[in-house]
Amino acid sequence: DIQMTQSPSTLSASVGDRVTITCRASQSMSNWLAWYQQKPGKAPKLLIYRASSLQTGVPSRFSGSGSGTEFTLTISSLQSDDFATYYCQQYHRDSTFGQGTRLEIK
Amino acid sequence: QELLVQSGAEVKKPGASVKVSCRASGYTFSGNYIHWVRQAPGQGLEWMGWLNPNSNGGSSAQKFQGRVTMTSDTSISTAYLELTRLTSDDTAVYFCARVRFGSRSPYDGFDLWGQGTTVTVSA
Repeated sequence: DIQMTQSPSTLSASVGDRVTITCRASQSMSNWLAWYQQKPGKAPKLLIYRASSLQTGVPSRFSGSGSGTEFTLTISSLQSDDFATYYCQQYHRDSTFGQGTRLEIK
Repeated sequence: QELLVQSGAEVKKPGASVKVSCRASGYTFSGNYIHWVRQAPGQGLEWMGWLNPNSNGGSSAQKFQGRVTMTSDTSISTAYLELTRLTSDDTAVYFCARVRFGSRSPYDGFDLWGQGTTVTVSA
């Protein structure tokens, strides 16, 4: 199984900040990675697929990069609606999610 | 409007089975793979497996093999997840999700999700 490790587990930031979340894979997986945003009591929402492709309708302040074993999700200027939990997901071999990063208001 | 609508909450006793349904509307159900993901209370997302609605073929995570069955009925655009030999560790919200529209692979991002079905396992 491919293990996905996200960091940090919790991130405190303010509106307008630029934030970066990292996801590391236990083995190389090309660019078969997605990022999701989840708010309490809701289903996850797809933000990025294939490591860097922005899903239709997602604001351009979200971006993804990386390949191989290290990937990042960047939010260029935090908005109040962005405070949520973020998950990475690999789909190179079956599928696995990272443990999540909770983005909270500082 | 594209939707995945799941069945209602379930309460089961240890050792029982549960079957969750996921009905698609607003798109061609047979055209996209369906995955199942669960989330225990306060925990992260756990992938369970995927289903090809056309063939009822698919694959499940090794952890669930022998306990999980994923099927579909294309005549009513509905996918099903059945989990047997339930324990308290199976208490979770179960989500169905569609592989990104237009993807020809069973593995890609999930662009449409059901609302989730809460399954509680308790004696």
